[in-house]
Amino acid sequence: DAGVIQSPRHEVTEMGQEVTLRCKPISGHDYLFWYRQTMMRGLELLIYFNNNVPIDDSGMPEDRFSAKMPNASFSTLKIQPSEPRDSAVYFCASGAWGQGTSYEQYFGPGTRLTVT
Amino acid sequence: TQLLEQSPQFLSIQEGENLTVYCNSSSVFSSLQWYRQEPGEGPVLLVTVVTGGEVKKLKRLTFQFGDARKDSSLHITAAQPGDTGLYLCAGSYSGYSTLTFGKGTMLLVSP
Repeated sequence: DAGVIQSPRHEVTEMGQEVTLRCKPISGHDYLFWYRQTMMRGLELLIYFNNNVPIDDSGMPEDRFSAKMPNASFSTLKIQPSEPRDSAVYFCASGAWGQGTSYEQYFGPGTRLTVT
Repeated sequence: TQLLEQSPQFLSIQEGENLTVYCNSSSVFSSLQWYRQEPGEGPVLLVTVVTGGEVKKLKRLTFQFGDARKDSSLHITAAQPGDTGLYLCAGSYSGYSTLTFGKGTMLLVSP
């Protein structure tokens, strides 16, 4: 399997512009997670889906952030309008049940977003 | 409130040295996972521990889950430059798919 695929790997945009990040999860995984990573705050869970349905979006920082999962093989995270404080690395992860009751997540390579 | 505290935050050692990093919490987790993240990449799952007191070995890496399932440690024997990276621990609660991540220990192994 190719693993979780994210695009673009790097995005530089100006404040106020719309940014769309894309993710293709591992086939067969029923959960998809969007995270943001910064030095100050570490990995933060933004939103996650189960079988394409959003389950918890309480980590989405503001209404400027939105996420969709139109089918089992594709998800997007959109920021509109973008602000400099949104600069971070955004990860997508998909998951499956591991041993016992543990849930294992597999991360994509991330999108490094810089908003100037 | 940081549910998972990792220590040390940063560790710089020479090749061949041994080291231990820690992951502590006041919460009881049903399982705990360790990830390694290399610069410019996403975290990669190394191991999952599910039983209190469990010890797992992955080549030169030894992982231990505390008896009370509130803490864990990662010991690396004879560290190599390829071990350089951010080591993250993440806890999960029984039946839940979400993970609580610590902020990580950044390990730098110099030749």
